Amino acid sequence: DIRMTQSPSSVSASVGDRVTITCRASQGVGNWLAWYQQKPGKAPRLLIYAASSLLTGVPSRFSGSGSGTDFTLTISSLQPEDFATYYCQQANSLPRTFGRGTKVEVK
Amino acid sequence: EVRLVETGGGLSQPGGSLRLSCAVSGLTVGTTYMSWVRQTPLKGLEWVSFISDGGDIYYADSVTGRFTISRDTFRNMLFLQMNSLRDDDTAIYYCARGHWWPDYWGQGTLVTVSS
Repeated sequence: DIRMTQSPSSVSASVGDRVTITCRASQGVGNWLAWYQQKPGKAPRLLIYAASSLLTGVPSRFSGSGSGTDFTLTISSLQPEDFATYYCQQANSLPRTFGRGTKVEVK
Repeated sequence: EVRLVETGGGLSQPGGSLRLSCAVSGLTVGTTYMSWVRQTPLKGLEWVSFISDGGDIYYADSVTGRFTISRDTFRNMLFLQMNSLRDDDTAIYYCARGHWWPDYWGQGTLVTVSS
């Protein structure tokens, strides 16, 4: 199985801050990577797919980059509704696997 | 509007069975991939199973031989029959559209396996 390692596990930030989350795959996944946002009691919400493609309706302050084994999710200017947990997920091979999440908390 | 609503969760003893249902509106289950994904605080998010538009099926190793995914194209529903339940099957189970990166998810249904 491909192991997805996210860092940091949590980050404290303020509204307006730039936040960067990293995801590393244990083996290359090409650009077969997605990012999700999850709020307490809710299902994950797809934000970015194919490493850098923004899902329709997702604010442009979210962006993704990377390929192979190293990927990044960036929130350019954190908004109050962005405090949540973020997960990466590889779709290159079965089983699909997720990172353990990065919690973005209020500083 | 796309909507996925899971039902059927609850409490089961180890070795028991539960059948999860996912009622889908706004998209057609028979023409797309549909998945079940579960989540626990300990293990995080785990892909359980998916079924393709053509009927091809995948199961995670942890549920192979115990869980069965199916769909009813007339009622536009997805199902997960879970047998021989174990303590570590305790999780919130989500149905979702897609098998690469699901873009529509239900609200989840909680399955608790405990004696």
